[in-house]
Amino acid sequence: EVQLVQSGAEVKKPGESLRISCQGSGYNFIAYWVGWVRQRPGKSPEWMGIVHPSDSEIRYSPSFEGQVIISVDKSINTAYLQWSNLKAPDSAIYYCVRQVSFGSGSQNYGIDFWGQGTTVTVSS
Amino acid sequence: SYELTQPPSVSVSPGQTATITCSGDRLGDKYAHWYQQKPGQSPVLVIYQDNKRPSGIPERFSGSNSGSTATLTISGTQTLDEADYYCQAWDSGTEVFGSGTTVTVL
Repeated sequence: EVQLVQSGAEVKKPGESLRISCQGSGYNFIAYWVGWVRQRPGKSPEWMGIVHPSDSEIRYSPSFEGQVIISVDKSINTAYLQWSNLKAPDSAIYYCVRQVSFGSGSQNYGIDFWGQGTTVTVSS
Repeated sequence: SYELTQPPSVSVSPGQTATITCSGDRLGDKYAHWYQQKPGQSPVLVIYQDNKRPSGIPERFSGSNSGSTATLTISGTQTLDEADYYCQAWDSGTEVFGSGTTVTVL
């Protein structure tokens, strides 16, 4: 069974740093891209970026470039999303997701698996 | 930036057909995917590449995409289909999600 298990909820103050994680299991972790999606309360999801565990190639959505860092440790089947200077608008649920591919080509089959989500609350 | 516009809400009686539209510039030239999200749960892919159903998704879910509009159709809608639905397509270096549609079955 494919699973993407994310780290637990976090409560942080503005200006603090944070790293959340996502561990994949039940499939060949290095064969799929792992991405991150933000969903603010009552809003649509927003795709942040994606990493390929085989070679750590990373692509960021233009809206999130420079705002977060995506990384991966293939030795433990885990992807990460981190911030160095959290702000209140970063409060959201963050989902890690699996994709065969992305972009406009025929290998983009959408997001076929989603993690359970990590709630991040940033408040003074 | 690219926008995908959906109606905020759709109401349907049990057993009837729900139609959800997603409009975007030349959307028919792209692949459209659809997700179902129930309250407090992660989204689930229900249609990919315009009209394909992932394994485990009921046949009552179908999709099409032409011109500037993609459409998700739920035939014989059941109460368990009550959820938010989002379309998604790729444009300008990012996956773009639609504004979302709440489907109410009553």
